[in-house]
Amino acid sequence: AQSVTQLDSHVSVSEGTPVLLRCNYSSSYSPSLFWYVQHPNKGLQLLLKYTSAATLVKGINGFEAEFKKSETSFHLTKPSDHMSDAAEYFCVVRSGTYKYIFGTGTRLKVLA
Amino acid sequence: KAGVTQTPRYLIKTRGQQVTLSCSPISGHRSVSWYQQTPGQGLQFLFEYFSETQRNKGNFPGRFSGRQFSNSRSEMNVSTLELGDSALYLCASSLSQDTQYFGPGTRLTVL
Repeated sequence: AQSVTQLDSHVSVSEGTPVLLRCNYSSSYSPSLFWYVQHPNKGLQLLLKYTSAATLVKGINGFEAEFKKSETSFHLTKPSDHMSDAAEYFCVVRSGTYKYIFGTGTRLKVLA
Repeated sequence: KAGVTQTPRYLIKTRGQQVTLSCSPISGHRSVSWYQQTPGQGLQFLFEYFSETQRNKGNFPGRFSGRQFSNSRSEMNVSTLELGDSALYLCASSLSQDTQYFGPGTRLTVL
């Protein structure tokens, strides 16, 4: 069975510093993995996706994630955060029956 | 291309009533999925429709139902509303089994 665990429910960083949002997954085969962002009172926006091509995936707004099979991880990073990045971030694994399985979310706070 | 649209954006109902939410997918997308988002339970999958057929279903009671029309537009219906049905209902569309693109959601409040 597939599952996804976001290791931090809240992360606070200072503006201009790097950010790391951690995600571990469980999958019995090569998974498809996604990161979505949700700003307050908005829908979910796709940041990036991994579908068994390059292990380092670049997304929108300077975000990137690295697929590490040995660690079953798909952590999201950004070298320099902005106030506008404050939002909730969801890691998602797509199951064999093509259901999306969402993590519980990480709320990112950016301090001025 | 226009994105996923959901109507209405906000809705207030009372317990026992029923409600219908609508979702128009991105042009050309044939799969529509519905999710419920609440602070306590997070994002939970309701069901997915593809070419007018329900392809996947989550663990929700029969009060929650959906359908998809030949133009891929989808509706979900909740009957006999309960206070706990208050949530943000999100719709997502995809080409088939590909990346899902989400709409802005419908905020349902049950009083």
